[in-house]
Parts: sequence; structure tokens; C-alpha cells
Amino acid sequence: KAGVTQTPRYLIKTRGQQVTLSCSPISGHRSVSWYQQTPGQGLQFLFEYFSETQRNKGNFPGRFSGRQFSNSRSEMNVSTLELGDSALYLCASSLASSEETQYFGPGTRLLVL
Amino acid sequence: GQQLNQSPQSMFIQEGEDVSMNCTSSSIFNTWLWYKQDPGEGPVLLIALYKAGELTSNGRLTAQFGITRKDSFLNISASIPSDVGIYFCAGRLEYGNKLVFGAGTILRVKS
Repeated sequence: KAGVTQTPRYLIKTRGQQVTLSCSPISGHRSVSWYQQTPGQGLQFLFEYFSETQRNKGNFPGRFSGRQFSNSRSEMNVSTLELGDSALYLCASSLASSEETQYFGPGTRLLVL
Repeated sequence: GQQLNQSPQSMFIQEGEDVSMNCTSSSIFNTWLWYKQDPGEGPVLLIALYKAGELTSNGRLTAQFGITRKDSFLNISASIPSDVGIYFCAGRLEYGNKLVFGAGTILRVKS
């Protein structure tokens, strides 16, 4: 069974631009969570989607948004990028919402210049 | 955001030595998870713990869910070079059900 896939793996943007990241969960998994990982802050929860609905949300500004499609694939969007948005963005999938066992993808490394 | 207190921050040990790391918090957790992250990859789940006092092994790895439900530890016995990486604890809060992560322990092994 294929694991969680994320595209693109690497991305360079400039301040003020917007970016869309994609995540395909493990086949059969319906929950997708997004995390931001930085050296200073560690892993920070962004949001969780289950059955196309946002179930949980972390403490990030409204510039960070996401959605989930009927095939459970998810996208997250960051608008008006800031230098501090440079990070590794990780997606994790699980069978059900708030399921304990989350499986992570390799991440998308975003650099904002 | 809320964080777990994970220690130590980093360790540099000799191959063959045992390793111990732990996570503590003032909050109560329903689940503890331990992950390992290799450079350029996402975290991989090592061990999941679901009840207080539970002791679970996965090969050379052993983890325990603290009796108070506020802490957990991970032990690695007889370390080998491929154990190098960052180890994260994660706990699912009793209230709110969110998964929160420790800051990670960087493990380096000298062969």
C-alpha cells in the first residue's frame, strides 16, 4: 500500500505570493492533518480534515487555509507569504478523525525569500 | 501552541550504549506516540501507547505510558548507527483531543 504523498517536495516563493500544497493520504484513510515544522517551534498543528470538513484547527492566522476533496486528498493554501512561513509542511493521514495512529508524508519544504 | 517538555534536547552516544528520553507535561493525555524522523523525511511512528502504565516494545525500543498520564519515556537498547535521527513524543490531550508534539531529541551515535 502506498504511503502518504506530498507535492511538491520543495518550493521557493517570495514574500506576498501565495502557495498551494497537496497531500494524498494512504488509500482508505479519510482524515488528513497538516503540521508546520520549524527548528524553533517544532511541530505545530495547522488543521485536520475528515470527510471534506475541517474538524480541528490550530492557532494559525487566516492566511493558512485548507480543504479536502471527496477522494480524501487535501490541499493547504498560504496567502500573502511572509518570511516566517519558511518551514517544512507535513501532512499526516489516519483512518478516522482524531485516530491515534497518524502516518506522515515526507513533507514539502517551503522557502520564502 | 501547547508543547510537551521533551528531554534531553540532544544526545551524542557511543554505539552499543542504551538511550533514554522522556516527555512530561502538566496536562493529562489519553494516548502517547513516539516517532522518529530522518533527515528530509516525515516522522515515522515507532510505538503507540493507549493506557496508563502500558509498557510496549518494538525490537530494541521500549516505551511506557506514565501512571499519572502526564509523562512517557522511550528507551533504545544497544544503539546502532542507523538509530541516528530526531525522536518526537506526541500526546493526545484528554480534553480537546488535539495531538501535541514535543520539541524532539536529536540522537547522534558514534561508531
